[in-house]
This record gives sequence, structure tokens and C-alpha cells, in this order.
Amino acid sequence: DAGVIQSPRHEVTEMGQEVTLRCKPISGHDYLFWYRQTMMRGLELLIYFNNNVPIDDSGMPEDRFSAKMPNASFSTLKIQPSEPRDSAVYFCASSPRTGIAGANVLTFGAGSRLTVL
Amino acid sequence: GQNIDQPTEMTATEGAIVQINCTYQTSGFNGLFWYQQHAGEAPTFLSYNVLDGLEEKGRFSSFLSRSKGYSYLLLKELQMKDSASYLCAVRDQGSGTYKYIFGTGTRLKVLA
Repeated sequence: DAGVIQSPRHEVTEMGQEVTLRCKPISGHDYLFWYRQTMMRGLELLIYFNNNVPIDDSGMPEDRFSAKMPNASFSTLKIQPSEPRDSAVYFCASSPRTGIAGANVLTFGAGSRLTVL
Repeated sequence: GQNIDQPTEMTATEGAIVQINCTYQTSGFNGLFWYQQHAGEAPTFLSYNVLDGLEEKGRFSSFLSRSKGYSYLLLKELQMKDSASYLCAVRDQGSGTYKYIFGTGTRLKVLA
């Protein structure tokens, strides 16, 4: 298994531009999570999906952020327009669905490092 | 809501033992997880506890007390490669679904 795949690994853009981050979860995993990590705030949960359906987007900072999961193997996180304070590492993670907490290990992608100038 | 607290930084010597504490508050507790994150890399799973007590996994052990909202990660025979951030995470259950909430992490420096 290739694990959780994210792209791009690095993105540098200018303020006001649209940014799209992509994620392919592990096949068979029913849950997909988007996190943002900064030095100040640590790893923050932005939104998560269960069976492609958004369950909780209360962590999405503003309307400038949106996420979709059109099918079980693909999700996007979009920022439009981007601002310098959005600079962070964005992680996608997936987990399987079982009734046993220990079996639902969350597996992270390598992350997308975003810099907004 | 949820709240997870852990120390920001710790320093220890190679070969020693270190304990990283984590306290949490959550309404739908369904497991306590520890992740390791090296600088510039993704978090990787270390251990989990769902019941009270100690879980041992080689040089790493994790303890949970649900009544106290408390966990710790114990690292024995420290090696230089153990220098990393250690993230405490709570799996929270609500409305039939699950989510993982992370603490801000503890940066561990292992000195020679």
C-alpha cells in the first residue's frame, strides 16, 4: 500500500491566489481528515469526512476554506483567496472504520507545505 | 469541548528514561493515542490506550487513567533518534462518528 498520498508537497503562492491541495486516502479507509499544523497552534482539525460525507467542518477557519470528497479515493482542500496567515503544513490523514479504537489507527500523508507571500 | 495539555519541551540524556505527560478533557472519549513526529515529517503512530493501565511496546510504554483524564508516554533507553515531537491525541466519538483531536506536542531533545 502506498499510504496516504498528498500533493503538492510544497507550494509557494502570492496573497489572493487560489490554492488547491489534494489527497488520496488509503484504499478501504472510510474516514478522511484534513489538519493544519503551525508552530503556534499545533495540529488543528479542519474538517473530516466519513464515507465521502463531510461530518464536521467546525475547524475550517473561514469561508475562504472549502473541502470536497467527490469519491472514496480523492479529496481536495481549497483556499480562495489565500492570505499569508494561511502559511502552514496541511496534512491529510485516513483511518478505517471498525468498532475497536485501537484498530482505527490514523495514518498521515507526508503533508503539503504552503507558503503564502 | 475538547482540551489536551502536554508540556512544550523536555530534555533528557541518551540512555535515560523520560516520561511525557498528557491531560485531556473530552465528552466522548474513545481512545488515547501517541504519535511521534520528526522535524519536517508526518506524525507516525506509536501506541494507544482504550482501557486503564499500562501498554508496553518495546522501549515505549503508554499509560492511561480515564477517571483522571491522564496519560503518559514512557521512553526507556533513550537514543539520539528519539529526538522528536510527541503528540498526544484523543479519539472522540459523537453522533456515531469519530475524530482525532491532538495536543500541541512535546518536543523532546535527547543529549549525548
